[in-house]
Amino acid sequence: NAGVMQNPRHLVRRRGQEARLRCSPMKGHSHVYWYRQLPEEGLKFMVYLQKENIIDESGMPKERFSAEFPKEGPSILRIQQVVRGDSAAYFCASSPPEAGYNEQFFGPGTRLTVL
Amino acid sequence: TQLLEQSPQFLSIQEGENLTVYCNSSSVFSSLQWYRQEPGEGPVLLVTVVTGGEVKKLKRLTFQFGDARKDSSLHITAAQPGDTGLYLCAGVFSNTGKLIFGQGTTLQVKP
Repeated sequence: NAGVMQNPRHLVRRRGQEARLRCSPMKGHSHVYWYRQLPEEGLKFMVYLQKENIIDESGMPKERFSAEFPKEGPSILRIQQVVRGDSAAYFCASSPPEAGYNEQFFGPGTRLTVL
Repeated sequence: TQLLEQSPQFLSIQEGENLTVYCNSSSVFSSLQWYRQEPGEGPVLLVTVVTGGEVKKLKRLTFQFGDARKDSSLHITAAQPGDTGLYLCAGVFSNTGKLIFGQGTTLQVKP
């Protein structure tokens, strides 16, 4: 049973380019969460999605960031016109439909570096 | 704003010593998880506590949830170098779906 998969593991972009981060949840999991970890800081919630729906995006920056979890395929976190401050580790987590206690299982992360 | 205060932030001890990490909030959690994170990897779930006063053991690790469900602790007995890593507590408030993380405790166990 494969865990949460994220790709790429490392992504380098120049300022102004777009970054696309992909997350495949664990088999049977229909809830996906994205978190960001800045250097020397803890993980910060960004967005919570279920299939084809955004449930909570209270942690997402208002501009340049978007997320989707289509009916088929992985969840995508998209950052347009990246800036140096976007450099961070981005983690995806998933949980099963019946996660009453909200246990979340994390992927290995994508480390984004903006030059 | 919901906050989780985790302490200490850094801990360096000798192999064989005991240690306790604390996680506190002014808000009530519906559940709380403890994770361990290795450099370059994602957090790995260690335990979930749900009921006030609950105690769970995982080998040499003991997790406790406060009676009022506002605080939690992680106690490691006879620490080993393999316990070195970043320990994170994360709480869920009122089934919002999102985890609120503490700042983390970086533990170094020297042989």
